[in-house]
Amino acid sequence: GQQLNQSPQSMFIQEGEDVSMNCTSSSIFNTWLWYKQDPGEGPVLLIALYKAGELTSNGRLTAQFGITRKDSFLNISASIPSDVGIYFCAGRSRLSNFGNEKLTFGTGTRLTIIP
Amino acid sequence: DTAVSQTPKYLVTQMGNDKSIKCEQNLGHDTMYWYKQDSKKFLKIMFSYNNKELIINETVPNRFSPKSPDKAHLNLHINSLELGDSAVYFCASTLGLGGYTFGSGTRLTVV
Repeated sequence: GQQLNQSPQSMFIQEGEDVSMNCTSSSIFNTWLWYKQDPGEGPVLLIALYKAGELTSNGRLTAQFGITRKDSFLNISASIPSDVGIYFCAGRSRLSNFGNEKLTFGTGTRLTIIP
Repeated sequence: DTAVSQTPKYLVTQMGNDKSIKCEQNLGHDTMYWYKQDSKKFLKIMFSYNNKELIINETVPNRFSPKSPDKAHLNLHINSLELGDSAVYFCASTLGLGGYTFGSGTRLTVV
């Protein structure tokens, strides 16, 4: 099946630093999404990317849909304490039957802010 | 006014028991999913339903049986629970090609 490799696996940074993480796939996706998961909660959508090459921002977050459609990256600028959590990339693929699709998730990047 | 709600939040049970997890969404979405998150936080799809019809069944043991009485509800019944079933189970929903909205999860512990 499809696999999404996400790196780095974990990051330890100081408040105010910029963060960069990426996701690569062995196959093509139609859509890339980035989610954040806080402890005890479900993943929450941060950014959705729908076209190859697309660069989208959401506040301090910027994400890009790779031109090959097999990768994506997420940048967070000027990190703050509430950025702590696990970030997941997810690729959407269309199934053979029309209108049906699924999200395949990356392995996650755990972000920790060092005091 | 929770968008995707799951019950219970925590479930501790013994091996061999049968248990159910319920999910409801009030977003008007037409597709619902069950995902399993293991101890390493890896999220893997189990099932999806579109308008009450099973669309995806990702080689999940047949001890797991989803049921969708209507498009706002997707329940998960698990028979003969095993230790390896311990995980966090997330329900999610979507409409068309929109992003998925996840519930807050059900932490299942089998002892």
